[in-house]
Amino acid sequence: GAVVSQHPSWVICKSGTSVKIECRSLDFQATTMFWYRQFPKQSLMLMATSNEGSKATYEQGVEKDKFLINHASLTLSTLTVTSAHPEDSSFYICSARSYGPDSYNEQFFGPGTRLTVL
Amino acid sequence: GENVEQHPSTLSVQEGDSAVIKCTYSDSASNYFPWYKQELGKGPQLIIDIRSNVGEKKDQRIAVTLNKTAKHFSLHITETQPEDSAVYFCAARGDSSYKLIFGSGTRLLVRP
Repeated sequence: GAVVSQHPSWVICKSGTSVKIECRSLDFQATTMFWYRQFPKQSLMLMATSNEGSKATYEQGVEKDKFLINHASLTLSTLTVTSAHPEDSSFYICSARSYGPDSYNEQFFGPGTRLTVL
Repeated sequence: GENVEQHPSTLSVQEGDSAVIKCTYSDSASNYFPWYKQELGKGPQLIIDIRSNVGEKKDQRIAVTLNKTAKHFSLHITETQPEDSAVYFCAARGDSSYKLIFGSGTRLLVRP
């Protein structure tokens, strides 16, 4: 399957600071990337969908000014958690969707980034 | 919108036995159904998927069945091994939708 990477794999920051998480599709071009949030022992919650070169589409209840998403190229999307607070501590996972004549538009996930806000 | 329900929430089997996880979906327009395996502290890994134009798909010890009429699909793991222990998520998506809707997950434990 296709490979999606995330960086960093974990980050600890102080309350009030901003944190940027990178998501890269390593061996395919991803017109669409997705950002999820996962709390312990829970399912994945879609936060937003980003399309290369356009503004992200946020799910209901997700603050777009707090979770800034940029999808500047076909292989890179970034999520910036601005003015992070302890309640933002979570496991953030990105995903990229593949396209192509032989593809069923599978969606591949990155390894996740564990954010801890002190 | 689409809603996906997954059962059971936990499943414990003896090594070598089979494991079955079931999901139901609500939107009849959904036509793509992937299954993901998530190990502790890692991202979900696509293990098998099925489209609505087929009823069954198999890949070695893993198989997925789809019943469009009843709107349910199942994951079957045969000859389970301890390394199969993980959380499994089902999901559903329609062609017109870009979103994958996930089930709540099943924690599978394979006892050696």
